[in-house]
Amino acid sequence: GNSVTQMEGPVTLSEEAFLTINCTYTATGYPSLFWYVQYPGEGLQLLLKATKADDKGSNKGFEATYRKETTSFHLEKGSVQVSDSAVYFCALSEPPDSWGKLQFGAGTQVVVTP
Amino acid sequence: DVKVTQSSRYLVKRTGEKVFLECVQDMDHENMFWYRQDPGLGLRLIYFSYDVKMKEKGDIPEGYSVSREKKERFSLILESASTNQTSMYLCASSLGGGGRYGYTFGSGTRLTVV
Repeated sequence: GNSVTQMEGPVTLSEEAFLTINCTYTATGYPSLFWYVQYPGEGLQLLLKATKADDKGSNKGFEATYRKETTSFHLEKGSVQVSDSAVYFCALSEPPDSWGKLQFGAGTQVVVTP
Repeated sequence: DVKVTQSSRYLVKRTGEKVFLECVQDMDHENMFWYRQDPGLGLRLIYFSYDVKMKEKGDIPEGYSVSREKKERFSLILESASTNQTSMYLCASSLGGGGRYGYTFGSGTRLTVV
């Protein structure tokens, strides 16, 4: 079945540093890929998505490119802020007959210090 | 924007009680989902529904049931609450279409069973 692997956290970095969170996947067919963010005590919010190979999703300074050849969807941000401290989840869509379910990675906690 | 509203942010219940967690979405989404989130275990799917009165078990349905009498409302029921059901519960909804639209999540309900 489909699965998502993302790098373990916590990732600790200073304000204005470059952030990369690795995400790789295994899937049948052509899934859509997503990054969600969860701030402390909150539900998950969609950060960005890509629905086909070579698509780049972007939002709030974050970017991720759907790389079919490496089955990856790494999240990047050029200059993080303290407010980016959160848990980030990579996810992919299950096959079309799976009622729109998503498969989530384990999440990566990011801590940004001033 | 689609809104998914969970009726309670925090709940404290006693062991053996029957507990109802309510979730309402306002954008006519076909699919609705209930997850629980626990440290180190990520998001685990409890139940989902792809239409009114339709439901499917997820990965961890034991001890839970669901109800979807109207399209906008999806209720999670803990038949007899136990301490191992202390968790963060997340409701989500999505359009149909094989998952390419992703989910919209509610803010979560943190349930403590004492």
